[in-house]
Amino acid sequence: DVVMTQTPVSLSVSLGGQVSISCRSSQSLVHNNGNTYLSWYLQKPGQSPQLLIYKVSNRFSGISDRFSGSGSGTDFTLKISRVEPDDLGVYYCGQGTQYPDTFGAGTKLELK
Amino acid sequence: QVTLKESGPGILQPSQTLSLTCTFSGFSLSTYGMGVGWIRQPSGKGLEWLANIWWDDDKYYNPSLKNRLTISKDTSNNQAFLKITNVDTADTATYYCARNNWDFDYWGQGVMVTVSS
Repeated sequence: DVVMTQTPVSLSVSLGGQVSISCRSSQSLVHNNGNTYLSWYLQKPGQSPQLLIYKVSNRFSGISDRFSGSGSGTDFTLKISRVEPDDLGVYYCGQGTQYPDTFGAGTKLELK
Repeated sequence: QVTLKESGPGILQPSQTLSLTCTFSGFSLSTYGMGVGWIRQPSGKGLEWLANIWWDDDKYYNPSLKNRLTISKDTSNNQAFLKITNVDTADTATYYCARNNWDFDYWGQGVMVTVSS
């Protein structure tokens, strides 16, 4: 299985600040078709996860440009700029390149 | 507008079979490239992918649950199903279905399932 390692486990941020979350995979996430199926999800308290970023750097419909994804191969980063109260929750990276699909353990974003 | 909603028994006893239904709208599982996945989350813990089913009836399972999983679909009624046999307290979790577009782009609200004697 592809192991997804997220760091840090938790982050404290001030409103308006910027944060980065790292996600590393134990194997390359480049699919045979050339795409890299690395996604980022946010789970707000008491809610279902929601897709933020797909294929490394593509923002899902309706997602603010304050969220940006980057990376390649096995090393990926989610950046959130100008943090707002609605950004708080647990962020997960996930891969769909190789079965079984796997997720990182999550990064909890809290207010400082 | 894409929506998904899970339904299930709420509570069941160890060794029973868990049957879950995902009823969706806004897309069709007969459309090329479309899929539905099941993911679960024990309270306070992370996400665990369970199974995917695709438009062509291709199915994939998490090997960690060995042969306990069966995923199926009813395209005419826009539903997907998941069965988990021989449940144990470790299967207590919130179960989500999600549309699979090589990522999980729309999620249901989740259904809580408790396994208890």
